[in-house]
Order: sequence, then C-alpha cells, then structure tokens
Amino acid sequence: QKEVEQNSGPLSVPEGAIASLNCTYSDRGSQSFFWYRQYSGKSPELIMFIYSNGDKEDGRFTAQLNKASQYVSLLIRDSQPSDSATYLCAVTGAGGTSYGKLTFGQGTILTVHP
Amino acid sequence: ETGVTQTPRHLVMGMTNKKSLKCEQHLGHNAMYWYKQSAKKPLELMFVYNFKEQTENNSVPSRFSPECPNSSHLFLHLHTLQPEDSALYLCASSQTASGDYEQYFGPGTRLTVT
Repeated sequence: QKEVEQNSGPLSVPEGAIASLNCTYSDRGSQSFFWYRQYSGKSPELIMFIYSNGDKEDGRFTAQLNKASQYVSLLIRDSQPSDSATYLCAVTGAGGTSYGKLTFGQGTILTVHP
Repeated sequence: ETGVTQTPRHLVMGMTNKKSLKCEQHLGHNAMYWYKQSAKKPLELMFVYNFKEQTENNSVPSRFSPECPNSSHLFLHLHTLQPEDSALYLCASSQTASGDYEQYFGPGTRLTVT
C-alpha cells in the first residue's frame, strides 16, 4: 500500500468550475499536511499547509483535513487555465524512522480548459 | 524565486565522470534536503541535514555523496553514476527538519547520465 495516495488523473475541469483534488495517507499519526503545485519542467511550489481537522481557506484554495478518515483534499474555486499543473500532496511521518520525513504522493494532473 | 538556488540547472555526464551539484538557501533555514524526481514516480527523499548534521540517508547508493559545510549550503557529489540515475534533483530547505515546517524547493538540476 502506498503511503500517500493520489489519483494521477488527469482531472479536467472547465474554467470557472471547482477542482477537487484528493489524497489519502497511511500513517495514522501524521500531523502535518502540505499541498504543492508543480508546473511542467519546474520545481514544486507550496500552496497550502494544514495541521488541524477541518477547512483552511486561502484565496481560491481550500484545504480540508479529516484525520479520522486519513484524508486530505484541496479545492480550487473559480479554476483558471493557469491552474493547470500537477498537484502534489505531502504528509509528514509521525514516528519511528518516518518521523519528520515528508512523503509525497505521485501527484494529480489538473487541466483547466477554457 | 523561493530563496533556494541550485547550480547547474542542467548537467550531462558520462558514467565515469565526477561532478557536484550545489544548493544555496537565503532563507535562514536550518534544514536542507536532497530529493530525486524521476518520470512517473513520486518525489523521493535522499538526504536530510538538520543544523549541518546528516539525519537521514534514505538508502541512497554510495555513488551519491552529500556534503553540508554550513546551514546555507548543500552539495551532492556524483561519481560513477548509472543511466537510471538520470532525473531531476531537487534541493529544499525548511526552518528545521521536525516536519512541522513547510519546505521550499530550488529550481532543480536536470541530470542526464550517458
């Protein structure tokens, strides 16, 4: 079982729609969760981080965390073509050899079409 | 610009060559990381340095040798690489390596081993 799992996509949404990106993780004790955006040929860029259950909003982005279900999501409202990229979910290990280590999912390719 | 720079941006080397990748961060962070990103695979953590001390070697072959002379600089020395080592090598930094802080990535070095 993958430690951090994302649907690789591609996820295609029309401009102006809400894009919903999902991520599940296996380490029940994980405490820190991050979403990165990576444009083709570029390095990952931090979008949001979330530590507590519930929602965290930043502009058009909302991160949602449910630790009981080991699930974290990213919603992008009013999607724009410039949002087209690969979105990486990353989770920090809770203990043992995983403590403090950031484990990345494979990423979801998002395409926003005009 | 994230405050993390990497040189060179592109590198082509033969299997018998020796080369080094350089990373520098201007963020005042105390932790630095090397990641490998291959096509179709998640980001793989290679090495972690926290306050100049190596705290993680993620079963990386000895043909990759990291060096961290101070908290702002990180090197990855390469020798007798294999073609499967061709990938994007990313450097990142964070406040500390506790996992509670977001990581900021450099632009990466695209390495091709011939």
